[in-house]
Amino acid sequence: ILNVEQSPQSLHVQEGDSTNFTCSFPSSNFYALHWYRWETAKSPEALFVMTLNGDEKKKGRISATLNTKEGYSYLYIKGSQPEDSATYLCASSYGGSQGNLIFGKGTKLSVKP
Amino acid sequence: SQTIHQWPATLVQPVGSPLSLECTVEGTSNPNLYWYRQAAGRGLQLLFYSVGIGQISSEVPQNLSASRPQDRQFILSSKKLLLSDSGFYLCAWSAGFTPQHFGDGTRLSIL
Repeated sequence: ILNVEQSPQSLHVQEGDSTNFTCSFPSSNFYALHWYRWETAKSPEALFVMTLNGDEKKKGRISATLNTKEGYSYLYIKGSQPEDSATYLCASSYGGSQGNLIFGKGTKLSVKP
Repeated sequence: SQTIHQWPATLVQPVGSPLSLECTVEGTSNPNLYWYRQAAGRGLQLLFYSVGIGQISSEVPQNLSASRPQDRQFILSSKKLLLSDSGFYLCAWSAGFTPQHFGDGTRLSIL
């Protein structure tokens, strides 16, 4: 059974703090790694999709890196703002079943003003 | 632009009753369609996905079934709901496999 682990489970930071969280996934037959942002009462929003070892993606103050050999990805948020408060989900997919995303349980970020 | 509609937003059903959740996509053709569930304390789990009309793949054995009667319509059903079917259900679509775009979800409570 493929398992994606995210840490920490939850995180409380002050406005202006930079933060990062981790996603660990099985590296064998890896196809893609996805990051989603899920705000309360909204639908998950795709942030990044990465496929290649060493990939780095950036969207405003949020960036992500990927290491497919060791099976981990980091998501970084620079200068956190209250509107960054959400659950951040990562999901991996594998060759032969590329549409089947294996989700972690998410990291819940709360940013206090 | 593409949009995805999912309804109802919330549903309370007794054990043993049937279920039908509907999801439709607009603004795209031949999308891949997905049903996910998030049970309490767990991550999102893929239940079904479809790459075309009448083509359904099930990822986990369960009390649910899915159908795709039209290109942009995906239906999740059950003949008799169990308590363990409670959860938050999300429909999603993609062109190819990535990324996936989610609907607003249905919160299903079984009494």
